[in-house]
Amino acid sequence: NAGVTQTPKFQVLKTGQSMTLQCAQDMNHEYMSWYRQDPGMGLRLIHYSVGAGITDQGEVPNGYNVSRSTTEDFPLRLLSAAPSQTSVYFCASRTWGRGSTEAFFGQGTRLTVV
Amino acid sequence: GNSVTQMEGPVTLSEEAFLTINCTYTATGYPSLFWYVQYPGEGLQLLLKATKADDKGSNKGFEATYRKETTSFHLEKGSVQVSDSAVYFCALSGGETSGSRLTFGEGTQLTVNP
Repeated sequence: NAGVTQTPKFQVLKTGQSMTLQCAQDMNHEYMSWYRQDPGMGLRLIHYSVGAGITDQGEVPNGYNVSRSTTEDFPLRLLSAAPSQTSVYFCASRTWGRGSTEAFFGQGTRLTVV
Repeated sequence: GNSVTQMEGPVTLSEEAFLTINCTYTATGYPSLFWYVQYPGEGLQLLLKATKADDKGSNKGFEATYRKETTSFHLEKGSVQVSDSAVYFCALSGGETSGSRLTFGEGTQLTVNP
């Protein structure tokens, strides 16, 4: 099994550009989420989804959009990149509704906005 | 809301030394507690978990005990190896308010020298 697959692994954007970070999982998990990782701040939740057609905001949603048209895919869109969005982004999936289950993470996307 | 606090890092140890990384949490109800590990250039992976008070999670020589009376979940290992060098994250989910959402601590960078 591939688990959670994120693309691209690295990306450099200019301020104001837009892009989409892709995330796909093959475990039929209902719950998917996007985090950003910044030094000294751990992982902060950007957006999450509990199933196809259902999304909600996390702690730091500004500047990001998501959609969930299928169970497998959960893309993250940066509408107009800013230097403050320079970070490492992780997608994760897990079974919904049971807080004790393991979350599976992608390998991350390192984004630099110049 | 839920929160997780980890000991300030980074931590540098010699091989075969004893490791403790402190983790305390704030949550209502009965959350599940996790330790995730991130090796260089990779995503997070589950190291161990505990789902109720007094449970002990263990894996790869690492242990942590769910202490509800002190709201703690400290990570320990009796003899660290160079290959244990990584970033360690304490996390929780569940309880009364957060459902499947994972809340992470800041992360602790561990470096083990030969």
